[in-house]
Amino acid sequence: EAQVTQNPRYLITVTGKKLTVTCSQNMNHEYMSWYRQDPGLGLRQIYYSMNVEVTDKGDVPEGYKVSRKEKRNFPLILESPSPNQTSLYFCASSSPGTDRYTEAFFGQGTRLTVV
Amino acid sequence: GNSVTQMEGPVTLSEEAFLTINCTYTATGYPSLFWYVQYPGEGLQLLLKATKADDKGSNKGFEATYRKETTSFHLEKGSVQVSDSAVYFCALTGGFKTIFGAGTRLFVKA
Repeated sequence: EAQVTQNPRYLITVTGKKLTVTCSQNMNHEYMSWYRQDPGLGLRQIYYSMNVEVTDKGDVPEGYKVSRKEKRNFPLILESPSPNQTSLYFCASSSPGTDRYTEAFFGQGTRLTVV
Repeated sequence: GNSVTQMEGPVTLSEEAFLTINCTYTATGYPSLFWYVQYPGEGLQLLLKATKADDKGSNKGFEATYRKETTSFHLEKGSVQVSDSAVYFCALTGGFKTIFGAGTRLFVKA
């Protein structure tokens, strides 16, 4: 089954304690992205990757890091989490395809609370 | 830069009512347009898409037409069901970037 898998689904942590949210896709997609979803703001892109070892900042990259060492994995790293990073996070993947820009496939989300 | 604006919610309808959720966009070039739906506790999933002007996307009774002259992609359904209660996101993709609207929450009452 084609899917994007994020872990964990729920996480409560304390300010300053480094954490990693994992994301893996089994569709051999080139593009992967991280978004955060906040009430009234929709989804905002944090970082994206066009392929292995190629990453770039999205709209709200401050406080986050990513890496793309393998095509299927795109972890999101919070080196020193702060309460303003409390949010719902989504990983997504897509492929250029032949039909111009194709749709994104989303993971189930990770609800992060930083206290 | 590119942007998407969609009507604020929540929208509350009775079952079998007609639904319209407005979406307008600004973009350079020729983006693809999408509607995604998010059911409670789940990630976003594609509802329908259109890749060029005048294309109509449709799925599960929902429709939207890519209108370049009015830069719009309004979502419509003729008769909503309780199971359509969800958050709906309009989005555009140009290159590697997808821009989402703020989302519109729909409640359908039996």
